[in-house]
Parts: sequence; structure tokens; C-alpha cells
Amino acid sequence: SQQGEEDPQALSIQGGENATMNCSYKTSINNLQWYRQNSGRGLVHLILIRSNEREKHSGRLRVTLDTSKKSSSLLITASRAADTASYFCATDARGGSYIPTFGRGTSLIVHP
Amino acid sequence: NAGVTQTPKFRVLKTGQSMTLLCAQDMNHEYMYWYRQDPGMGLRLIHYSVGEGTTAKGEVPDGYNVSRLKKQNFLLGLESAAPSQTSVYFCASSFLSGGVDGYTFGSGTRLTVV
Repeated sequence: SQQGEEDPQALSIQGGENATMNCSYKTSINNLQWYRQNSGRGLVHLILIRSNEREKHSGRLRVTLDTSKKSSSLLITASRAADTASYFCATDARGGSYIPTFGRGTSLIVHP
Repeated sequence: NAGVTQTPKFRVLKTGQSMTLLCAQDMNHEYMYWYRQDPGMGLRLIHYSVGEGTTAKGEVPDGYNVSRLKKQNFLLGLESAAPSQTSVYFCASSFLSGGVDGYTFGSGTRLTVV
């Protein structure tokens, strides 16, 4: 069963705009991770946020975590065509095996 | 460093045939995982290993077997392929439990069972 669910399923924006995608999960977690998958490729780890953290930054990426709402958001600022990819959140349920489960992903298209 | 290498990249099997997918990593990672990805779905965990000689079942283990005889290799076997096993298979590895250091993924094996 999928712990995390991304929203929206698909997002289409113009280059230069910001892209925001969300992840909601069902049970308390230890960590939440975001991954990117380019078409036909494996997933690439972007960022991990721990349950006691509220916000993290990495370059043009900003991740927030709201444990009271069981949700996270990934913001990509000043998007580029190269950001076109699918983005997945992965959560590991507290008290579980510590192995993250992945959502279905958000497909992002950035038009040049 | 090559990272995580999966072979083969593509394969077509007939129903009932068997095959082995190979995953090799050169990062000295303890933890290795096999996932499958189906259209519109996230990745689902098939089997995983927490170290050489150990394996454990994931979310969707039926119809698959695995072996981790060497630390750097994790093999996924399909004993008798079925059309429902048509999927893209990804191997991943991590140094820390749960991939808290971030999984490193291979580029995938696209398997079609006819």
C-alpha cells in the first residue's frame, strides 16, 4: 500500500515559473524524501527531511514538512525545461521497517 | 564509479520462462532493494537485503526470488514468468538503513512477458 500520495498528478508550467507539488501521508513518519525521475531513467535522490524538521533548502529546491497535517511540499523555483520529470515522495512509517514507500508521483512539464 | 548497474536493460520473455536480473553496485553499500514500477503507479518493493547473505520480502514478493551471495550483487529471479510481471524493474542501494542517505538507483530493466 502507498503511504504517500502526490498532488497534483500532473503539472504544466512555463519556464521561469515556480512549481509546487505536495505529498500527503497517512501515518507518522521518521523521514520523508523527494526523488526525481527523468523519462526512462532511474530515480535520483533530491532531498530528505526528518520528522523534527520543518523546512530544508537545496539550490532551487525548498521542501517543507507539516507533521500535524501529515503533508510535505516541494517547491522548485525559477523552473527550467531540464526540470521536466516525475517527482516522487517516499516516506518510512514510524515503527515500521524504515524502508520508504513511494507515492505515484507528480509529472512536471516545464515549457521553454 | 559506476554506481548501480542493472543487466539486462530490456528483455522479452514468453509466459512460463524464467530469467535472472542482475544488480551490481560498487559503493560498498550494505542495503539493496528491488522495486517494480508500473504505469501510473509508484515503486513497489519486491524484496530487499540488509547485508550479504540476507534477504527479506517486500510488498509484492510473490513470483520472485532473490539472492545476495556477494555484497555487491543482488539477483532477482522470475521462476515462471507471467504477463502480470510485465514491468520496469529498478534496483537500488543505500549505505544506511531505509536509505536515509538517499537511494542510488540503477537505470532499470524493462521486462515484457508475452
